[in-house]
Amino acid sequence: GQQLNQSPQSMFIQEGEDVSMNCTSSSIFNTWLWYKQDPGEGPVLLIALYKAGELTSNGRLTAQFGITRKDSFLNISASIPSDVGIYFCAGANSNSGYALNFGKGTSLLVTP
Amino acid sequence: DAGVTQSPTHLIKTRGQHVTLRCSPISGHKSVSWYQQVLGQGPQFIFQYYEKEERGRGNFPDRFSARQFPNYSSELNVNALLLGDSALYLCASSLEVGQETQYFGPGTRLLVL
Repeated sequence: GQQLNQSPQSMFIQEGEDVSMNCTSSSIFNTWLWYKQDPGEGPVLLIALYKAGELTSNGRLTAQFGITRKDSFLNISASIPSDVGIYFCAGANSNSGYALNFGKGTSLLVTP
Repeated sequence: DAGVTQSPTHLIKTRGQHVTLRCSPISGHKSVSWYQQVLGQGPQFIFQYYEKEERGRGNFPDRFSARQFPNYSSELNVNALLLGDSALYLCASSLEVGQETQYFGPGTRLLVL
C-alpha cells in the first residue's frame, strides 16, 4: 500500500488547548478520512473528505482536503479529556480499489 | 441500528493452528473489508469483498483467505498461524464497493503463542 506520513507522532496538551495534526502522502488520493481509536477498540470515523480543498467540520473537529490531494489536516478546538486517543488519517483512491491506506497515528493525551 | 459486529472478541491460538474470524456488516452495507493492525501501527488492508467476490487484496500471504456470504457477512481464515500473525483484526463495511467511507467493527484480538 501507499505510505502516509502522519505527524506529530504524539501530543501532550492541556485541556482547552487547540490541536493540529496532519498527514502527507507521495500519492494522490480521491478521499481522505480521519478516524479516532481508543485502546482495544476499532477506529471510529470522525470526518470524511471527498474533494480537493474541501473543509469540513464535525463539532469541535475541522478537517481539510489539501489542494494537491496529497495531504490533509485535522484540527481539534478547545480539547477536553475525552479527546484522548489515537487519531489516524486514511487515504483512498480508485487505483487501490478504495482500500484504505493508513498513517501510523497521532497519540493525543489531554491533561485536565 | 447495530454497527459492524465481529466475533470472537479475543482468541488465543498456537503456532501452526488455523483460525476463523467472523464479521457482520451494518445493515444495508454490501461491501466488507478486512484489516490487520499490529501494535503501534495503523491498520493494513487484507481483503475487500463485494457481492461474494474478492474485489481487492493487500500484500498478505496465501495463508490468509476470506469469503462473503449471501447475507453479506464475511469470514477471514488464517492457516498455519505464525507468531507474527498476532494482531487486532478489523472488519469494515461500506455501502458499495468503491464507497470509500468505511465503518469499522470493534475487532478481534488474536494472540498466537
